[in-house]
Amino acid sequence: KAGVTQTPRYLIKTRGQQVTLSCSPISGHRSVSWYQQTPGQGLQFLFEYFSETQRNKGNFPGRFSGRQFSNSRSEMNVSTLELGDSALYLCASSPAVLSYEQYFGPGTRLTVT
Amino acid sequence: AQKITQTQPGMFVQEKEAVTLDCTYDTSDQSYGLFWYKQPSSGEMIFLIYQGSYDEQNATEGRYSLNFQKARKSANLVISASQLGDSAMYFCAMAGGGADGLTFGKGTHLIIQP
Repeated sequence: KAGVTQTPRYLIKTRGQQVTLSCSPISGHRSVSWYQQTPGQGLQFLFEYFSETQRNKGNFPGRFSGRQFSNSRSEMNVSTLELGDSALYLCASSPAVLSYEQYFGPGTRLTVT
Repeated sequence: AQKITQTQPGMFVQEKEAVTLDCTYDTSDQSYGLFWYKQPSSGEMIFLIYQGSYDEQNATEGRYSLNFQKARKSANLVISASQLGDSAMYFCAMAGGGADGLTFGKGTHLIIQP
């Protein structure tokens, strides 16, 4: 069974631009969660989607948004990028909401200059 | 609020020795799950082991075992017979307990020396 895939793996953007990251979950998994990892703040939960609906959201500004498609693939968007948005963005897939099974993808490393 | 504490920022261990990575957690809920993940330099989070709050026996997965002491709110990871490939960041995390998503600790950087 293929694992979680994230595209792109690396991205360089300029402050003020916007960016879209993509995550394809494990086949059959319907929940996708997003996390931000930075050296200063560590790993922080962004949001979780299940059946195309956002179920939970972490403490992040409205510039961070996401969506999920009918095939469970998810995209995360960050608008008006700031230098502090530079991070590794990890996606995790699980079979259900708040499931204790969480499988992570390789991440997208975003650098904002 | 849920909190995970990992008090060892870094550890050096000789190859083939056993390793214990510390993790304490704080939650007022009775139902929660505890995880350990390994993150090599490539960035991917690799699931190692899971322990449910109602599980009476300590979880084991190959060379990994979780020493779960509920009264002390402790969930230490034990790696038996360490290998060079075990060098990585290790994160303890908690699910449930009223929190959205997983709550992670700051991690322990484990380096296995030959």
